[in-house]
Amino acid sequence: GQQLNQSPQSMFIQEGEDVSMNCTSSSIFNTWLWYKQDPGEGPVLLIALYKAGELTSNGRLTAQFGITRKDSFLNISASIPSDVGIYFCAGQRGGSNYKLTFGKGTLLTVNP
Amino acid sequence: DADVTQTPRNRITKTGKRIMLECSQTKGHDRMYWYRQDPGLGLRLIYYSFDVKDINKGEISDGYSVSRQAQAKFSLSLESAIPNQTALYFCATSDGQGKNIQYFGAGTRLSVL
Repeated sequence: GQQLNQSPQSMFIQEGEDVSMNCTSSSIFNTWLWYKQDPGEGPVLLIALYKAGELTSNGRLTAQFGITRKDSFLNISASIPSDVGIYFCAGQRGGSNYKLTFGKGTLLTVNP
Repeated sequence: DADVTQTPRNRITKTGKRIMLECSQTKGHDRMYWYRQDPGLGLRLIYYSFDVKDINKGEISDGYSVSRQAQAKFSLSLESAIPNQTALYFCATSDGQGKNIQYFGAGTRLSVL
């Protein structure tokens, strides 16, 4: 099946730094989702994007739906230790609105 | 209480054994899904169900079967477990309408020895 290219695979940052990660695809998606997975837990939805060019914030998190519909970005500002976890992007196409295609995840480590 | 509950949370079994993982939800959603997570591979869809009478294979269904006992319950079975089925398994639900966002359970960590 199709995979999304998510990068970077991992990041080690200092508390207070800003973080950026992104996903790209060779195909168009109508919905982009960003999930976070804490250790020992399931993915939790952070931000959902439904329109090309859309920029949406959730606290210190900001995500954008790329104009081409083939990419999305997630930024975290002023990182804190509890931001540690795995961040996944997921794309959903129109016409088959059940199926999520997931990126392989970005493992974020924040050093206090 | 969690909206999507998976049991057990951890399980160790031996090669060849039959094992069932259970998922129940209180969100009232029609759609339920089973995923497998392996390190570095993200989440892959095993089976999905749009309602009690509807079951569909996902991208990696070989070696697995499912049962949708009720709108709120969706179980995953490994008829004869093998070591490469060692993984984290997640159940998810969605309402199938509007945004169709998927909500995940906390996962079951399965080890097949």
